[in-house]
Amino acid sequence: GENVEQHPSTLSVQEGDSAVIKCTYSDSASNYFPWYKQELGKRPQLIIDIRSNVGEKKDQRIAVTLNKTAKHFSLHITETQPEDSAVYFCASFSGGYNKLIFGAGTRLAVHP
Amino acid sequence: SQTIHQWPATLVQPVGSPLSLECTVEGTSNPNLYWYRQAAGRGLQLLFYSVGIGQISSEVPQNLSASRPQDRQFILSSKKLLLSDSGFYLCAWTAGLSGNTIYFGEGSWLTVV
Repeated sequence: GENVEQHPSTLSVQEGDSAVIKCTYSDSASNYFPWYKQELGKRPQLIIDIRSNVGEKKDQRIAVTLNKTAKHFSLHITETQPEDSAVYFCASFSGGYNKLIFGAGTRLAVHP
Repeated sequence: SQTIHQWPATLVQPVGSPLSLECTVEGTSNPNLYWYRQAAGRGLQLLFYSVGIGQISSEVPQNLSASRPQDRQFILSSKKLLLSDSGFYLCAWTAGLSGNTIYFGEGSWLTVV
């Protein structure tokens, strides 16, 4: 079935450094790839997304890249801040099946 | 604008008791609706999804069930809860077309004791 693998499971960086989280997906029909940030005890919030006809998208300190051939996509956070500390989830949306499959999550800790 | 409501926010239920979590979406029609579960410190597991009234797809065989009695209403139920049913339950919706943003409700914390 559909599967999304996410790495690393935990990531610790110093404030100001960059953080990169990588995901791979299995469904070649996937056409939409969102990233969510979840703070403790709260619902996941969309932070950025990319569609299959785009290779890269940037929003201030956050960027996402997509390689459809290799079926992987990545989240890049530059100039990290302590408030970036949270769990980040990648996801792959299969248009053929109308469902969003999540990676296992990455716990990011940004140390002052 | 579209909004999603989910309730109750928290509940503590004994083993073997029934469960009903409700979710409604406002401001849109014919949404795709989803139920996810998140165990403590874990990822998001898709439980059920629905593309229309009465159309429910189950992802994981278990003692939970889902129903969609109205276009914008999605209900998660159980006849007898297990300890392993504890977790954070999230309802979500997206517009019917593929590749649209999925939005989550605020979630329901379930503790089975």
